[in-house]
Amino acid sequence: DQQVKQNSPSLSVQEGRISILNCDYTNSMFDYFLWYKKYPAEGPTFLISISSIKDKNEDGRFTVFLNKSAKHLSLHIVPSQPGDSAVYFCAASITGNQFYFGTGTSLTVIP
Amino acid sequence: DADVTQTPRNRITKTGKRIMLECSQTKGHDRMYWYRQDPGLGLRLIYYSFDVKDINKGEISDGYSVSRQAQAKFSLSLESAIPNQTALYFCATSEMWTGHNEQFFGPGTRLTVL
Repeated sequence: DQQVKQNSPSLSVQEGRISILNCDYTNSMFDYFLWYKKYPAEGPTFLISISSIKDKNEDGRFTVFLNKSAKHLSLHIVPSQPGDSAVYFCAASITGNQFYFGTGTSLTVIP
Repeated sequence: DADVTQTPRNRITKTGKRIMLECSQTKGHDRMYWYRQDPGLGLRLIYYSFDVKDINKGEISDGYSVSRQAQAKFSLSLESAIPNQTALYFCATSEMWTGHNEQFFGPGTRLTVL
């Protein structure tokens, strides 16, 4: 059973606007969460992470929010740029052992 | 040069054949992983290794085996390939857990089993 879910397979956003990608998880033991970005014909690359002791982590245009009570995290990209068009995966782990990945959301930023 | 390399990048094979996918890394990381990606299913962990003498099964290890020949090398084998093993395979590495580690992925191997 999928422990990490991304219910939106795709998202389209105008350039300059905010992109919000969502991720839900079922295992309350997860204590570390990451977002990866993947371009075609390449491996995923790390984008941003958050520990369960925090509810927000920011890195430039990227912010990850964690709501532990709802078992939900989201990635905000603002402002969105055409180069952000990619597939985004969220992942979760328990103390960095096995990582469980979501199914991915394909983001298209329209110029 | 890429830090995590995978060979081959593409492979087409027939049902019943033995296949080996290889992964090498120059990052000096102890931990290595094999994942497969299928449409609609994301990345799923096949096997992982925390050092040369440590091998662990992941979510979907049936039909696969691995070998950690050295710190820098981690191979994935399909002893008798079947069509539902057609997928994109990724190798990844990470450091020992420090509370904020990410994984570094190779470029992937596209495997087709006919």
